[in-house]
Amino acid sequence: AQKITQTQPGMFVQEKEAVTLDCTYDTSDPSYGLFWYKQPSSGEMIFLIYQGSYDQQNATEGRYSLNFQKARKSANLVISASQLGDSAMYFCAMRLTIQGAQKLVFGQGTRLTINP
Amino acid sequence: DGGITQSPKYLFRKEGQNVTLSCEQNLNHDAMYWYRQDPGQGLRLIYYSQIVNDFQKGDIAEGYSVSREKKESFPLTVTSAQKNPTAFYLCASSMSGQGAYGYTFGSGTRLTVV
Repeated sequence: AQKITQTQPGMFVQEKEAVTLDCTYDTSDPSYGLFWYKQPSSGEMIFLIYQGSYDQQNATEGRYSLNFQKARKSANLVISASQLGDSAMYFCAMRLTIQGAQKLVFGQGTRLTINP
Repeated sequence: DGGITQSPKYLFRKEGQNVTLSCEQNLNHDAMYWYRQDPGQGLRLIYYSQIVNDFQKGDIAEGYSVSREKKESFPLTVTSAQKNPTAFYLCASSMSGQGAYGYTFGSGTRLTVV
């Protein structure tokens, strides 16, 4: 089954600390893409970072980095120097191609709370 | 500015009524998607469309219908057959084959059954 799993329903972190949000995935497709999105209370989905299955290096975007371990099928998001504005829901998602059609499958999400 | 427009932002439906949620994009994207999100949960795929006049069922299509008569538009109808329609609905679009930045989301429609 093609599936994304986020095992942390909630995380609480002190401001300025680093935080790692876990994501594991399951697919037999050799070609796939992994995304992380942030969803604040307003409901919009904000793209954070992307990792392709053939990318050799871990993706980084500013304070966000993706710890991609292909053999373990994990794609954890690392946020360095957390800020109060980082408090939100975070979703890991996997892009699959099935019979020529692409779709994006989401995990259940992790609610991150940054404490001052 | 290019983007996706979802309307209305809030929608109230009486039991037994059909309602249609609008999704319009001016990004010239080929593919469009509808997701449902329940409180504290992830997004579940309802329907998706790769090209005009063609669409596929996602994981939770029962009680929903869509059309794709124009590239820019992908309306979602929540029918009376959907027993628990209260949820947040998100529309998205992408270019087929796009890599990292391929998915754009609308701001969502919050549907409540009264």
